[in-house]
Amino acid sequence: AQSVAQPEDQVNVAEGNPLTVKCTYSVSGNPYLFWYVQYPNRGLQFLLKYITGDNLVKGSYGFEAEFNKSQTSFHLKKPSALVSDSALYFCAVRDSMDSNYQLIWGAGTKLIIKP
Amino acid sequence: DVKVTQSSRYLVKRTGEKVFLECVQDMDHENMFWYRQDPGLGLRLIYFSYDVKMKEKGDIPEGYSVSREKKERFSLILESASTNQTSMYLCASSLDRNTDTQYFGPGTRLTVL
Repeated sequence: AQSVAQPEDQVNVAEGNPLTVKCTYSVSGNPYLFWYVQYPNRGLQFLLKYITGDNLVKGSYGFEAEFNKSQTSFHLKKPSALVSDSALYFCAVRDSMDSNYQLIWGAGTKLIIKP
Repeated sequence: DVKVTQSSRYLVKRTGEKVFLECVQDMDHENMFWYRQDPGLGLRLIYFSYDVKMKEKGDIPEGYSVSREKKERFSLILESASTNQTSMYLCASSLDRNTDTQYFGPGTRLTVL
């Protein structure tokens, strides 16, 4: 069965420090992986996705994510955190073998950047 | 830019009422989705649609129905609202079945008293 895990409910980082938000997945076929961000009282915004190719994917607002097939992970990273990065982050996966084309979502990780 | 709008940001209804949540997208997307978002549970798919007049059940369709009479509009209906349907409801759209990137509306926070 397909699944996504975001093992941390909350991540606290000081402004200017690097940040990592973790995501692991389980699928039968090849994974299509996504990160979305939700700012307070807003809908979800697409950040980046991995479909194929280079394992390091760059996205919006200076974020990047690294696909690691052996560890079945797709962690979100940023070299230097900003207070404005504080938000709720969701990882999602679609299985290339799934004919329903549905995304499976993680529970979300709250990122808090302290000045 | 893709724009997905939802009819209400906040809605308060009473138990047993029929509730309509409307979603409109302006980019001629084929696919539309309704999710509910609850703390610690992430997003759970209620219903989705790949075409006009077409609908498919998601993971939690019980207590809900949908309507898609026009390509740009996807409505979620709570036939008889219950308190356990208090939640944030998110609508999304994507271009077609081969395009996975979903674009979300701002959400409707529904409270059922």
